[in-house]
Formats: sequence, structure tokens, C-alpha cells
Amino acid sequence: QLVLTQSPSASASLGASVKLTCTLSSGHSNYAIAWHQQQPEKGPRYLMKLNSDGSHSKGDGIPDRFSGSSSGAERYLTISSLQSEDEADYYCQTWGAGILWVFGGGTKLAVL
Amino acid sequence: EVQLLESGGGLVQPGGSLRLSCAASGFTFSSYAMSWVRQAPGKGLEWVSLISHSGSGTYYADSVKGRFTISRDNSKNTLHLQMNSLRGEDTAVYYCAKDESSGSHFDYWGQGTLVTVSS
Repeated sequence: QLVLTQSPSASASLGASVKLTCTLSSGHSNYAIAWHQQQPEKGPRYLMKLNSDGSHSKGDGIPDRFSGSSSGAERYLTISSLQSEDEADYYCQTWGAGILWVFGGGTKLAVL
Repeated sequence: EVQLLESGGGLVQPGGSLRLSCAASGFTFSSYAMSWVRQAPGKGLEWVSLISHSGSGTYYADSVKGRFTISRDNSKNTLHLQMNSLRGEDTAVYYCAKDESSGSHFDYWGQGTLVTVSS
């Protein structure tokens, strides 16, 4: 079963860096994912597509402070030089066999 | 600039029906698959349904299969979601989302429309 697992919460200080993790279920470690950001009271915003080899392509207007990397079944989103507007929920998403689209439970990021 | 504008949400009684629409602009609508994704109050994102670029292929989450119908009008750049036999657990903000290609990830989102199912 295709499942994405995310930690419910994370926190980091203003100006620091944070690395969020999305873990693919067993047997799906080669899947690509996408990261989406949802600021409070707003619709989601696409950040990037992240492949199993760590290569990634970002959405329109996404700052260089956002980057992605991969290791095995883990997919990471790193945000550097944290700003107050980065305080948001972050969701990973993947897709399977053209018939199933799955989201992780989301990570709520607090910028201290 | 890609824009997706949902409409049609509102308050409906359990067992009732509602039709959502999403007006798309800023891209060649007929070339891309489109999805509906929902978010219950205080919860995460849940994919609901996807339709292929031509409309010939439709896919549904198990939670809505047999009750919801996705459709599109490529001549009007509009996506629809017909929701029947609505339940309390269908209460959510419904977002339309553009697929990056042919059934992969979503690269643009609308601002959402709220559906409340309650007596």
C-alpha cells in the first residue's frame, strides 16, 4: 500500500535552516514525490517535484532557499534562512500506477 | 498566469447534492489532467478525483466512488464535480488542482470552496 509518512510538527528559529522528512512506504522507495506548502488560511502552493536520485524541479517563483534531497525511501525538504512567512503546513504527495494520488499527513512548521 | 477559481460551495443537508465548478485560465486547459482535492476542517489534504485531459479517463478515491462525478468542458475551460448523497464527512474545503502532466503531481491550486454538509 502506497503511504507517505510525515512528522506532525517541526520548529526552527528565524534565519536558521530546517529539514522536513517524508517517508515512502515499503516497496515504493523509487517513487518521486512533490512538496506543497499551505500557509494559514490559504490554498496549497506547489514547491517542487523531487525524484529518488535527489534531482528536483521547482515551481514558478519558488525561492532558492527551498531545496530537496533524497536518501532511500526518504524525501527531504530543506528550507534555509527561515522567514516568518515560511510558517506553514508542508505536505508531500506522490502518485501510483496512474490511478492513485496520495498525500502525507502534513508537517506543521513553526518559525520561532 | 495560471488561475483556478472554484465556485459552487455552500451548506447542504445530508443526502443532498451540490455541483462544484472550477474556471481555469492562463494555460491550455485541454492539455492537462485536473483533480479535486479536499481538506476537512483542521485536517490534511485528501485527493478526491482526477480526470484526464480529454475527459476519457476518470478516477476516484474510494471514499467518494459511486457518489461523486468529475467532468470537464474543454470548450469552456471548466472543471466540475457533481456531489450526490452527501454525508457529514464530506464537509471540507474543495480545491481544484492542475496536473503537471498526465497524472503525476499537482503544480497549481485554486483557493478553494467550502462545502458544509449539515442539517
